[in-house]
Amino acid sequence: NAGVTQTPKFRILKIGQSMTLQCTQDMNHNYMYWYRQDPGMGLKLIYYSVGAGITDKGEVPNGYNVSRSTTEDFPLRLELAAPSQTSVYFCATKRWGNVYEQYFGPGTRLTVT
Amino acid sequence: GNSVTQMEGPVTLSEEAFLTINCTYTATGYPSLFWYVQYPGEGLQLLLKATKADDKGSNKGFEATYRKETTSFHLEKGSVQVSDSAVYFCALSAPSYDKVIFGPGTSLSVIP
Repeated sequence: NAGVTQTPKFRILKIGQSMTLQCTQDMNHNYMYWYRQDPGMGLKLIYYSVGAGITDKGEVPNGYNVSRSTTEDFPLRLELAAPSQTSVYFCATKRWGNVYEQYFGPGTRLTVT
Repeated sequence: GNSVTQMEGPVTLSEEAFLTINCTYTATGYPSLFWYVQYPGEGLQLLLKATKADDKGSNKGFEATYRKETTSFHLEKGSVQVSDSAVYFCALSAPSYDKVIFGPGTSLSVIP
């Protein structure tokens, strides 16, 4: 039972390049989330999904896209990377119901230069 | 709307000192409340939770009580260790609300 896995762990992009951050879970959770965490700061929600085929914007969606074709996978796409997207990206999952906690992946550290 | 306020720190304590990190919330309905901990270079992990008023969550010597009358969920530990150095996030999950609301995090450093 791997929980929430994220790949890659680290990545350096040049300005204008694109990439996909992968997130996979094996807990059969309906809810999945993408957050970014800038150095010394808290979490900002980028996108989330309440189930396969359903996604919605968080507070900082600009410059990102997501898809949710299966329960297990929730990839985050960065188009035309900018230095402002330098951050650590965390994927999280949760069961339906507000009594349940989120489970976080180990994060992807992205640098855009 | 839903929101979480917590003391921002940084907090520096000597080993074996008493820790309190304040957290207050605003929510519609009856939310569940959580404390997450983030150790350096890692993702967040659940420390403890409480799902109804007057519940006490506890784990690893940390405790927090869900106080509806004061809308608070303060984190406490009687004797901190160097290994408790981390960032602590208070969070809430409200009924029929898909997003989890996090506080800004409190950085704790424990010195020997």
